[in-house]
Parts: sequence; C-alpha cells; structure tokens
Amino acid sequence: SQTIHQWPATLVQPVGSPLSLECTVEGTSNPNLYWYRQAAGRGLQLLFYSVGIGQISSEVPQNLSASRPQDRQFILSSKKLLLSDSGFYLCAWSVPASGVPYEQYFGPGTRLTVT
Amino acid sequence: KNEVEQSPQNLTAQEGEFITINCSYSVGISALHWLQQHPGGGIVSLFMLSSGKKKHGRLIATINIQEKHSSLHITASHPRDSAVYICAVPPQGGSEKLVFGKGTKLTVNP
Repeated sequence: SQTIHQWPATLVQPVGSPLSLECTVEGTSNPNLYWYRQAAGRGLQLLFYSVGIGQISSEVPQNLSASRPQDRQFILSSKKLLLSDSGFYLCAWSVPASGVPYEQYFGPGTRLTVT
Repeated sequence: KNEVEQSPQNLTAQEGEFITINCSYSVGISALHWLQQHPGGGIVSLFMLSSGKKKHGRLIATINIQEKHSSLHITASHPRDSAVYICAVPPQGGSEKLVFGKGTKLTVNP
C-alpha cells in the first residue's frame, strides 16, 4: 500500500534561518507531488507542484523553493525564513491521470513556527 | 480561477444531530473533493465525486454539477466527527491541482 512521510513533524526556527522539509512517498511510481501551506486562520494554498524529477511548478511567488531529486522525494526549502512563513505545511501525492478524476493523498504535515 | 465558498464557517451541534455543510464553486469541474482535517492537522480524503451521491458510513456527499454546488451530510453526529471539513475543486477543467475552501469547523458536543 502507498504511504507518505513528512519530517520533521514540528519545527521552530528563527527569522533568517534556512529551512528544509522533506516528503517521501512509498508504494507508487511517478506520482504527482504537491506542497501546500495552511497559514493560521486561512485555507490550504498550493505552493509547488511536480509531475516528475526536476520538474517543479511554482504557484505563489515567495522566498520558498522546491526540488524533486528522486521520483518519490519532494523537498521544500528556504534560504532565509520570514515570520510570514509560519504555518502548517502539507505534502500530497496523486496518481497522474488522463481524463479520469484523481484523488490526492496527504502527509501528516509539518508545523513550522518562525520566531 | 475557481472560487470556492463553504458555509457555515463554524457549526456546533449536539450528538445525534443531522449535519449539513455546503460548498459552492464558480467554474465547471471534473470532480470535487471533501476532506477532513483533524485537530492535530492531519488531512484525510473523505470523498471524491463528479456526479450524484456517495455514501460512506454516516457520511453522505452530494453534488449538483449544473448548480455548481455540493453538500456533505453527517447523520447521527458524534463527538469524534468534530473536525474541519474542507471542500476542494480544480482551478479549471482538467487540472490536477486543487483550490480549497476555507473549511467548516464542526464541533459535536456530547
């Protein structure tokens, strides 16, 4: 069966420090991968989307970046965190589909607090 | 881009009550998702539906494609149903990305 892992589960970082969040998926090949952020009191927002290794689409201009070094690994990074980067970060995956409704599966999330 | 509106924003019910959460969207879609976010933050996909009605246990989801509206019903609500329920749709037809509603926070009291 498929499993999605995220780490760390919680993170407290000072403003200006770097960030690296990792997501890995097991049990499937060539998934679409997503990074979402949920800021306090707000809905989920898509940050990055990837259809394959090295292929990243950025949805929202910001100081975050994403990379996909392996088929089932998705990394969210920042060189210098801002207070506004605080939030709950979720990784998700879906099976690429053509003309067929798809379903997204979410990881457990990382709660990031920038102080 | 699809605009997603959920109502109500907050809902408090007594155990056993019938619950309805509504979702409206602005652009035609291939499928709509209902998600459940637990107090710890974890998200579970409840339903993905493109027409008609789906039922899973005490949960029922309906969708009216023509009216661009979906409802999530919970029968015989229980305190363990307390969570945030989120509706999500593609931003436009054929997209695999999702646009999310702000969620409905449901609290079921014993």
